[in-house]
Amino acid sequence: DIQMTQSPSSLSASVGDRVTITCRASQSITSYFNWYQQKPGKAPKLLIYAASSLQSGVPSRFSGSGSGTDFTLTISSLQPEDSATYYCQQSYTIPWTFGQGTKVEIK
Amino acid sequence: EVQLVESGGGLVKPGGSLRLSCAASGFTFSSYSMNWVRQAPGKGLEWVSSISSSSSYIYYADSVKGRFTISRDNAKNSLYLQMNSLRAEDTAVYYCARAFNANSFDYWGQGTLVTVSS
Repeated sequence: DIQMTQSPSSLSASVGDRVTITCRASQSITSYFNWYQQKPGKAPKLLIYAASSLQSGVPSRFSGSGSGTDFTLTISSLQPEDSATYYCQQSYTIPWTFGQGTKVEIK
Repeated sequence: EVQLVESGGGLVKPGGSLRLSCAASGFTFSSYSMNWVRQAPGKGLEWVSSISSSSSYIYYADSVKGRFTISRDNAKNSLYLQMNSLRAEDTAVYYCARAFNANSFDYWGQGTLVTVSS
């Protein structure tokens, strides 16, 4: 199975800060890579698919980059509503696997 | 509006069975692969099973293979997960999710909680 490792596990940042979350795959997954946001008690929400494509309706402050094994989610200007846990996912080969999550808190 | 609504969760004893359902609306259900993803309390996301649009291709996580069965009824716009020989470690919120570009999951249901406990 492909292992997905996110870092950091948690972070605290101020409104307006630029925030970066990284995810590393245990082998190359080309661009079969996705990011999700999950708020407490809610279902995950797709933010970025195919490594860098912004899902419809997602604010443009969210962006994704990377290919192969290393990927990044960037929030260009953190907003209060961005407080959530973020998960990466590889969709290159079954079993689809997720990272352990990164909890983003607002200072 | 795309909607996925899960049902069928509840409390079951170890070794018991449960059948989850996911009712889909707002899109052409028969054109999409569908998935089940679960989340144990306080834990991360775990993919459980996938089924292609015509049920030709079915996949399972090793953790549920041989115990869980995914199926769909395109005439009823419904997805199912038959869960047998349940274990404590199957306790989780179970989500159904629609497959999208690059095998991502673009729409999710609200989830249904399955608790396996004596």
